[in-house]
Amino acid sequence: EPEVTQTPSHQVTQMGQEVILRCVPISNHLYFYWYRQILGQKVEFLVSFYNNEISEKSEIFDDQFSVERPDGSNFTLKIRSTKLEDSAMYFCASSPGETQYFGPGTRLLVL
Amino acid sequence: RKEVEQDPGPFNVPEGATVAFNCTYSNSASQSFFWYRQDCRKEPKLLMSVYSSGNEDGRFTAQLNRASQYISLLIRDSKLSDSATYLCVVRGSGTYKYIFGTGTRLKVLA
Repeated sequence: EPEVTQTPSHQVTQMGQEVILRCVPISNHLYFYWYRQILGQKVEFLVSFYNNEISEKSEIFDDQFSVERPDGSNFTLKIRSTKLEDSAMYFCASSPGETQYFGPGTRLLVL
Repeated sequence: RKEVEQDPGPFNVPEGATVAFNCTYSNSASQSFFWYRQDCRKEPKLLMSVYSSGNEDGRFTAQLNRASQYISLLIRDSKLSDSATYLCVVRGSGTYKYIFGTGTRLKVLA
């Protein structure tokens, strides 16, 4: 059964550094998403991506965040200058239409 | 009022019990509804979509009440493996944004 994959599984970085989180969505899916979940809190929508552009973003998704689908398979989330409060689990999801399928997540720790 | 609200629990039930969770949503224009389960530190996994007429998948039954703006999940004959957090997810009409509830924790006890 096809799955969404994410790399790395864990990332530790220093405050102010840039990080790139990578996702490979399910191949015939058209919609892609990033979410984050701070430890002990709910899953929060960051951004949706369709037809090679952002279709919607949340208030959390400010100028330090960007997304790209550089090569037709990978879907990346870049955080330009990480802050302590960016420490969270980041989930990628893809969807053929309505139902989303989530990757296993990248646990980001900002020190 | 929160966009999607759930009782955080935990609900502690014995094996074999029937348990029900509710979830309320604030946007009356919401269009799509889902139940996901999340195990500790893992990704959300789709349990079932929720349709207007209600739907059943084995021991799981989901209902939607648009007038009162809530969805429900009923689990019959609970198994130890049902222990998880159950997430209510709602998508508004004309939007790509999916809103998650905080989740309801279920512990099924032997």
